Amino acid sequence: DVKVTQSSRYLVKRTGEKVFLECVQDMDHENMFWYRQDPGLGLRLIYFSYDVKMKEKGDIPEGYSVSREKKERFSLILESASTNQTSMYLCASSLQQGNREQYFGPGTRLTVT
Amino acid sequence: KNQVEQSPQSLIILEGKNCTLQCNYTVSPFSNLRWYKQDTGRGPVSLTIMTFSENTKSNGRYTATLDADTKQSSLHITASQLSDSASYICVVRLQTGANNLFFGTGTRLTVIP
Repeated sequence: DVKVTQSSRYLVKRTGEKVFLECVQDMDHENMFWYRQDPGLGLRLIYFSYDVKMKEKGDIPEGYSVSREKKERFSLILESASTNQTSMYLCASSLQQGNREQYFGPGTRLTVT
Repeated sequence: KNQVEQSPQSLIILEGKNCTLQCNYTVSPFSNLRWYKQDTGRGPVSLTIMTFSENTKSNGRYTATLDADTKQSSLHITASQLSDSASYICVVRLQTGANNLFFGTGTRLTVIP
């Protein structure tokens, strides 16, 4: 059974803190993605990676960075958290070939106060 | 401009009734369209994928249709159950490009007893 796990389900941080969100997949997928999901806006792509140490900006990369040191792990970093980064963060992974279905993690609800 | 629009935004139905969710898109060149189900507090899970040549595809009580000419898709749910309460998200993939997924904002379905 395919599995994408995220380090925390709920997280509360203060403005200005550095925040790490971690995602691990056990399917040997090449591609990994970070999204944020906000009411009325749907899922928006922050960053994605198609290989170890490779990263590409998505639609809303400002205020975020990522790290992919190992194939199975993709980290999202908020260098200095702000209140407008309060959101649900979803990680996903997929193969590079075939129908490339994205498998999502359970999400991390981040609140920045 | 590539866009995916879903309607209605939200829907409440009685248990046992049928319902149809709509997805209109302007994404081109089209590769495929996928419907995801997202339970509250969970990541989306794929229900079905439609390619250009497919008109109808079923997955249990879920039936998706695609009209590639009018760029419309629908998701029909038969004999609804309480467990169908969720958000349903339409995602369209372009044929080319690394960042080639376009997400609808979803339809929030509530099934009441």
